Amino acid sequence: GESVGLHLPTLSVQEGDNSIINCAYSNSASDYFIWYKQESGKGPQFIIDIRSNMDKRQGQRVTVLLNKTVKHLSLQIAATQPGDSAVYFCAENQDSWGKLQFGAGTQVVVTP
Amino acid sequence: DTAVSQTPKYLVTQMGNDKSIKCEQNLGHDTMYWYKQDSKKFLKIMFSYNNKELIINETVPNRFSPKSPDKAHLNLHINSLELGDSAVYFCASSRTSGNEQFFGPGTRLTVL
Repeated sequence: GESVGLHLPTLSVQEGDNSIINCAYSNSASDYFIWYKQESGKGPQFIIDIRSNMDKRQGQRVTVLLNKTVKHLSLQIAATQPGDSAVYFCAENQDSWGKLQFGAGTQVVVTP
Repeated sequence: DTAVSQTPKYLVTQMGNDKSIKCEQNLGHDTMYWYKQDSKKFLKIMFSYNNKELIINETVPNRFSPKSPDKAHLNLHINSLELGDSAVYFCASSRTSGNEQFFGPGTRLTVL
């Protein structure tokens, strides 16, 4: 069964509202950042990425913002839907070999 | 049609046993990875292979030995299993190192 006591930060959002998930990264030399979504019992799924030469990138209903000055990344989800309920991870690419450092994850719960 | 597949999905075994997890990708990617996800959902890279060569080897006990017979497969063998090895293990692949990584469905390992 599922583990207990996960102690993940949780964001509760009403269906239809916008969600903002924040992430602080550690390495100022990281040049590539990715947001992943992980539904229960599944592997992480790519949502959107951004390279360090950009500060904003938009996808379908999602926007990623990168602030290199304060080493901060955010994911905005527009018009949140029940299917958006999942754990969201930010990841920073730390070297040319693809070593990803994952953040702790944020549990998003969408309420009707 | 599955891009990255792992077997088995669940593995329950006794302490001290030796077990293997298999991973295959049909995306034609050059780079493959193994990650461990603990009970707090923290994801950490263990190994990475690029064209069958080891390129990332994190601080992992040498009881863990990855093997890449060809660039579409990356298996993980674990000797003398310990309680602390209980986790979900994810395989991933990317076109080359430093690109978007695609994750498999995970293998939940439980050591009793």
